[in-house]
Amino acid sequence: GAVVSQHPSRVICKSGTSVKIECRSLDFQATTMFWYRQFPKQSLMLMATSNEGSKATYEQGVEKDKFLINHASLTLSTLTVTSAHPEDSSFYICSARDSGRDTYGYTFGSGTRLTVV
Amino acid sequence: KQEVTQIPAALSVPEGENLVLNCSFTDSAIYNLQWFRQDPGKGLTSLLLIQSSQREQTSGRLNASLDKSSGRSTLYIAASQPGDSATYLCAVLNQAGTALIFGKGTTLSVSS
Repeated sequence: GAVVSQHPSRVICKSGTSVKIECRSLDFQATTMFWYRQFPKQSLMLMATSNEGSKATYEQGVEKDKFLINHASLTLSTLTVTSAHPEDSSFYICSARDSGRDTYGYTFGSGTRLTVV
Repeated sequence: KQEVTQIPAALSVPEGENLVLNCSFTDSAIYNLQWFRQDPGKGLTSLLLIQSSQREQTSGRLNASLDKSSGRSTLYIAASQPGDSATYLCAVLNQAGTALIFGKGTTLSVSS
């Protein structure tokens, strides 16, 4: 089946620094990837849609200058949390869909637990 | 705006019980519906995908049904086991959208 790899799985950073999270589709090409954020005991909230070769589309209320998304190839999207603050601490998950195999639906990465101290 | 609701929010059962998790959505114009499992601190594992034209899907002890007209889906787990303990998330893909919209999940605990 479709596999999405996400790294790192866990990261701790100091306030004011930037953190990059990678999301890779391992066995398929993904023109579109999605970035979600999940707070404890809450649902996944869509942050942005990452489009290969073009600008990402951000959901209302998500700061595009804080959460930089780059989708430079058909298998890699990155999310950079810039000038991180403790309130950015959360669980971030990426997702992609193999449009060539519709029966698989959406596949998710294993998530990244970000802690800003 | 599509909204997805899952009931109950939490459920505790003894091992061996059959159980039903409920999911409802407000806009019936969906492309498909997907059930996921999430273990604590982990990503999502896809369990079942139901296309809008389908009524149900089965995988092992899991059976998911879809009634698009009434905006409902159920996930049936037969003969529950402690290893089934996790949070179960329901998500829909709108016909007009590209991203999944999630419910808040049902946290299941199966005791041995």
